[in-house]
This record gives sequence, C-alpha cells and structure tokens, in this order.
Amino acid sequence: DSGVTQTPKHLITATGQRVTLRCSPRSGDLSVYWYQQSLDQGLQFLIQYYNGEERAKGNILERFSAQQFPDLHSELNLSSLELGDSALYFCASSVRGEFSYEQYFGPGTRLTVT
Amino acid sequence: AQTVTQSQPEMSVQEAETVTLSCTYDTSESNYYLFWYKQPPSRQMILVIRQEAYKQQNATENRFSVNFQKAAKSFSLKISDSQLGDTAMYFCAFSFGNEKLTFGTGTRLTIIP
Repeated sequence: DSGVTQTPKHLITATGQRVTLRCSPRSGDLSVYWYQQSLDQGLQFLIQYYNGEERAKGNILERFSAQQFPDLHSELNLSSLELGDSALYFCASSVRGEFSYEQYFGPGTRLTVT
Repeated sequence: AQTVTQSQPEMSVQEAETVTLSCTYDTSESNYYLFWYKQPPSRQMILVIRQEAYKQQNATENRFSVNFQKAAKSFSLKISDSQLGDTAMYFCAFSFGNEKLTFGTGTRLTIIP
C-alpha cells in the first residue's frame, strides 16, 4: 500500500458527461501529480500541484481541470467526455518537501466512456 | 525534451534465472533521477528502485539492481533469482527531482515456472 488513495476505482459514464476523480496524497506529501495511462499513449503526465498551487502542466486537454485543496487532496475534473478519454488515471504524491524525488502512486481510477 | 526508450517490448525468463531490462534516455542536464516502476496485472504502479545521477554507485534493492552508465545514458535493471511474482510490466522513468516523471513504453516481463 503506497498510502495514496484514489476514488472511485471504476467509473463508467457516457460521452458528453462530466466526472470528478479524487486523490488523497500520503500524509504530509505536498506535491500531487496526475497521469493518464491509455493503450495508445502510454503513461502521460497531465498536471502537478504543489501545496495548493499549480506547478506544471503536461498534455492536459482544455476539457480537463484540476485543483488541490487546503487539506492537500486533489480532484481531476473531466468534462465533455469522449470515447478516447477512456483510460486509467493515476494520482501520485511525492515525499515531503520541495527537493524530494520519489513519487508514490495510488491504485488508479479506471474510466470507461461509452 | 527528455525521452526515455525501452527497446524490449516483451521478455520472458525461467524462474530463478537472471534477467536484464534495458533503458536509454536522452537529456542535456547533469542532475536528474532515474527510476524503475513495476506494474503487475493489478495495474498498481510500484516503485522498484531509484538512482540519482550524481551518484556513481549503482543502486541495489534486494534482488533488483541497476547498471547506470551516465555517459552512455543507459539505465538497465537486473532482476536476480527471478520469481513468479516478478511477472509485470516494467517502466523506466526519468525526472528532475520534484517534477513530472517521463516514462518509457514499458517491457512486459513474464517469469516462466
């Protein structure tokens, strides 16, 4: 168990809908990262938050947004869903402090868009 | 941009044997970190081993060790005394400290009983 939790584990929804994925980092970890794992794109970085502030953006679509709350949990919002958004979405957190370098992953949320 | 290449899509080895997974990367920076992650059928991403680029000594974690060749930009993973539980996808990854991970495409490893 990495200590990172993600809910829900599975999500099935229809095209055009909106969903919210939730992540709770390990206790005390300040950085949260979101990754998408799809069959054709592999593991792709989406976005990073550090202590409530957006720190870096990767290949995140405009239909997607995220935030990190004061208690450090994070949410990834996916809207106007398309079939191609079906993927495994991981959240990771990194060890305490600004200069840490190990990322621990949650179990992932499997999103299926029908 | 940094890239990570894993040239072996699939590998298989007999139980108890040793296997080496290859990884090369490309960066112009001198300070960075390299990782191997394991993804078993459960799809959980598990950190196996890490290597700091400024350290010359190769990292070791029990049966797992790396061969880090900085000049060649090579970072291979050696699994000794392989076990059935080692069957998984293995991803090589790169980062600059507290920044995103850039992953390779993975190597699917099967341990044969």
